[in-house]
Amino acid sequence: SQQGEEDPQALSIQEGENATMNCSYKTSINNLQWYRQNSGRGLVHLILIRSNEREKHSGRLRVTLDTSKKSSSLLITASRAADTASYFCATISSNTGKLIFGQGTTLQVKP
Amino acid sequence: DTEVTQTPKHLVMGMTNKKSLKCEQHMGHRAMYWYKQKAKKPPELMFVYSYEKLSINESVPSRFSPECPNSSLLNLHLHALQPEDSALYLCASSHNAAPSTDTQYFGPGTRLTVL
Repeated sequence: SQQGEEDPQALSIQEGENATMNCSYKTSINNLQWYRQNSGRGLVHLILIRSNEREKHSGRLRVTLDTSKKSSSLLITASRAADTASYFCATISSNTGKLIFGQGTTLQVKP
Repeated sequence: DTEVTQTPKHLVMGMTNKKSLKCEQHMGHRAMYWYKQKAKKPPELMFVYSYEKLSINESVPSRFSPECPNSSLLNLHLHALQPEDSALYLCASSHNAAPSTDTQYFGPGTRLTVL
């Protein structure tokens, strides 16, 4: 079963604006990961944040993790049309190695 | 090289056909995975191989038969599929043997249509 919930389900912004996506999960985690998926294609790993980290940056990406609230957010700054994609958060079961995805946020960045 | 390759990119098959999906990685990863993704849904795990041995089968119907011939290759043999099996099939690999909390690297997927 999928344990992650993401909001919003869909987000439409203008190029240059920031995009924020939120993810909630239910169980204890070792880390939380964010993936991007362009339409009908494979997933690209964006960033991994460990359970003992609160914030992590990678280029225009900023991820936060609040383990007390079991939630994470992904911020994309200065968005570009090429950022148009679906974004998934995912947690891994430390018992099985099973990657469990949230429902995803579909981001559209208008030129 | 952080690439996972999958062939074919697209596959159309009838319900009586037998076909295979192929996945390959040359990163020396010890765990490989098959996921199924329906439209507008997140990927769902099907199988996990660790050191070429099946370690997880997520109660997948027997019409899907995985095979790991060697540490770089992962196949998914398909037989007597149903139209509802139409989906994007994704392969992934990770460095350490499962269970592992490593990053999983995904291939581009095979878009399967069952008529």
